[in-house]
Amino acid sequence: NAGVTQTPKFRILKIGQSMTLQCTQDMNHNYMYWYRQDPGMGLKLIYYSVGAGITDKGEVPNGYNVSRSTTEDFPLRLELAAPSQTSVYFCASTRASEQYFGPGTRLTVT
Amino acid sequence: QQQVKQSPQSLIVQKGGISIINCAYENTAFDYFPWYQQFPGKGPALLIAIRPDVSEKKEGRFTISFNKSAKQFSLHIMDSQPGDSATYFCAARVNNAGNMLTFGGGTRLMVKP
Repeated sequence: NAGVTQTPKFRILKIGQSMTLQCTQDMNHNYMYWYRQDPGMGLKLIYYSVGAGITDKGEVPNGYNVSRSTTEDFPLRLELAAPSQTSVYFCASTRASEQYFGPGTRLTVT
Repeated sequence: QQQVKQSPQSLIVQKGGISIINCAYENTAFDYFPWYQQFPGKGPALLIAIRPDVSEKKEGRFTISFNKSAKQFSLHIMDSQPGDSATYFCAARVNNAGNMLTFGGGTRLMVKP
């Protein structure tokens, strides 16, 4: 049982490039989330999903897109990367209360 | 709109001392209040959680105190150890379709040997 896995661990993007952050969970959780964590700050919700085929915006969705074609996978797409998207990105999942977090992806946009 | 306010931002405690972190919330629809612990380079992990129908929950050296009327809750770490040095986040959840958590800004705790 690997829990929540994220790839890549680190990535440097140039302004205007695009990329997809991958997230997979093997706990059969319906709920999945994407957060960003800026230095010295809390976690801000970007997008969430309550099940395969259902996604919705969180607090800071601009510049991002998601899809949820399976229960296990919840990729986050960055289109036209901007320096403001430099952050650490965490994926999480839950069945009800406790959210299980992945190890994070550290993204730098220069 | 910051719905969960956490203080202090940083805290230094001597080994064996008590660490206290406070959170205040605004939304009375919150029904679940977890604390997460995060070590450098890792994702947050659930430490302890409480529901508003109890005023205190204790697990080992970690205790949550909850004051529903004041809309405040706090984490107490007794006999703090250097291994407790981490960032701590309080959070709160509205029991709706998304089960979403709203996080406080975090407290960086350093326990000195």
